[in-house]
Amino acid sequence: AQTVTQSQPEMSVQEAETVTLSCTYDTSESDYYLFWYKQPPSRQMILVIRQEAYKQQNATENRFSVNFQKAAKSFSLKISDSQLGDAAMYFCAYRSGGGTASKLTFGTGTRLQVTL
Amino acid sequence: DGGITQSPKYLFRKEGQNVTLSCEQNLNHDAMYWYRQDPGQGLRLIYYSQIVNDFQKGDIAEGYSVSREKKESFPLTVTSAQKNPTAFYLCASSIGTGFGFGQPQHFGDGTRLSIL
Repeated sequence: AQTVTQSQPEMSVQEAETVTLSCTYDTSESDYYLFWYKQPPSRQMILVIRQEAYKQQNATENRFSVNFQKAAKSFSLKISDSQLGDAAMYFCAYRSGGGTASKLTFGTGTRLQVTL
Repeated sequence: DGGITQSPKYLFRKEGQNVTLSCEQNLNHDAMYWYRQDPGQGLRLIYYSQIVNDFQKGDIAEGYSVSREKKESFPLTVTSAQKNPTAFYLCASSIGTGFGFGQPQHFGDGTRLSIL
């Protein structure tokens, strides 16, 4: 079974600064997908960024980028130019690339605080 | 606008009572999911359905039941056998597992269930 580990329960960053959230995972599969979701106080889950394991190039979405290290099974999220609206819980998630498994396995989350 | 609607937003259950959480989507997605979220534990999969009239147990299915009679609807029943039902429940959907199974899951706004 796959596992996802987020070792930072809480992180803090000053507005306009850069912060990196860590995520590691364990799998024996070679084909899979990784996601970062954001959950603000409203509790809605919002997709931040997605990475396909077969792509070596790191995904980027505006101020959000990932550092995907397949051999190390690491998938960290970098938030540049942090904004107050970035304050939320961030969840790393794994999805098998196999045709029969469609579920997401989530980490326990990192709470990000953004200070002035 | 297309999306996922969960109702009610808050639900209270008496001891020994079954309650049903509603989830409706108009995204024309084939796959639907139910997750449970407890503090400090991230999201855990309860049940998922890849097509109408078919569903599979997730990691924590005991004490829960589902049905998938229509593509748009995937209600979750929390039965009296679930001894610790107090949690936040999230419904999600995705295009499917055949085509584009790497497609991200889209989430509803959730239902908070509490015991009276």
